Formats: sequence, C-alpha cells, structure tokens
Amino acid sequence: GNSVTQMEGPVTLSEEAFLTINCTYTATGYPSLFWYVQYPGEGLQLLLKATKADDKGSNKGFEATYRKETTSFHLEKGSVQVSDSAVYFCALSRYSGGGADGLTFGKGTHLIIQP
Amino acid sequence: ETGVTQTPRHLVMGMTNKKSLKCEQHLGHNAMYWYKQSAKKPLELMFVYSLEERVENNSVPSRFSPECPNSSHLFLHLHTLQPEDSALYLCASSQVGQDTEAFFGQGTRLTVV
Repeated sequence: GNSVTQMEGPVTLSEEAFLTINCTYTATGYPSLFWYVQYPGEGLQLLLKATKADDKGSNKGFEATYRKETTSFHLEKGSVQVSDSAVYFCALSRYSGGGADGLTFGKGTHLIIQP
Repeated sequence: ETGVTQTPRHLVMGMTNKKSLKCEQHLGHNAMYWYKQSAKKPLELMFVYSLEERVENNSVPSRFSPECPNSSHLFLHLHTLQPEDSALYLCASSQVGQDTEAFFGQGTRLTVV
C-alpha cells in the first residue's frame, strides 16, 4: 500500500535559517505529491504540489522537487520566519481507477522558528 | 462562501449526548472525506464518499455515523462517545478521477467529557 515517511519534530530553528524537512514515499506508479501546512487551531492548507517526476512545486518561498529515483519530496526554504511556525504534512494522492481514495499523509513535522 | 466550511468550530459533549458535525463544500467536487486528528497521531481517514456513496469505512466505531445527502454536504453523527474520541475532526473534498489535492475545512475541535 501507499505510505509517506517524514521526519518528526519538533524542528527548532532560528529566524533566517535554512529549512529542510525530509519526506519519502512508497506508492505504485506515479502519485501526485503535496505539502500541507497546519497553523495552530486551523485545518490543513495546501502549501505546494507536484504531479510528475522532476516537477518543482513552490509557494511562499518554500520549494519541493519530485524525485522519482529517490522517491522523495523534501521541503526547503532558504530563510525561515517566525510566521512559518506550524505543522507540515507530506502527502500523496494515487488515483487507483476506482472511487476516491483520499490522501495518504505522513505524521507531520512540527516546526518552531525562534526570533 | 468559498472552500470547505465546517460547523461548529468547537463542541463539548457528554458521553450520553447526540450531536452532529456539518461540512459544506462550494468547490463543485464529487468526493468528501472525514479525517480524525488526535494529538501525536497521524491523520486518520475515517470515511470517504464518492459521488454520494460511501466507499470506505476504516473500521470506525459505530458510534460515528456519516451521512452525505448530496455532493455538497457531509455530516458526522455522534452518539455515546468516549473521552478518547476527543480530537480535531477535519472534513475535506476533492475531485474523483484525478490525482488532485484535497481541500480541507478548518475542523471541529471536539471534547468529550
């Protein structure tokens, strides 16, 4: 079955530091890959996505590249801000030809940015 | 309104109460989902409705009962819950037939006392 593995936290960084959150996946075929972000007390918001190998998703300074050879989709940001403090979820979607399957999520990485 | 809306945002209920969570999507999607998010646990997919038919029930206890009267509305009926059912319940929608993202509501924070 499908699965997503991501580093758990908390990850604590200083403002303006470089961020990497690792994510690897197991799935048949070529899934679409997503990063979601959850701010305190809120639901999940889509941060970025990539639908095929070598695609790069980007949004709000965050980037992730779909690497089929390493089955990875690591999230990066060059200079984090306090406002980036949140929980980040890596997820995949693999339409199996039947009904809706839902997303498969990683466990989430809690990111804390200190001023 | 746009997106996925959940009501109420917060709910406190006793173990003998009956309550319902409501979700409405304005995105024209044809699939809707209930997820449970508990502290220190992965997101758990509870129910999937595709084209208004339930297609998955991941061994969820019968004290949780979903209802999908049309493609825009989804309910989760709750009765005789346990304290361990306290969690954030998230509704999502997507378009079946594509590897597309799901769009989430803000969730209902449920506390069972």
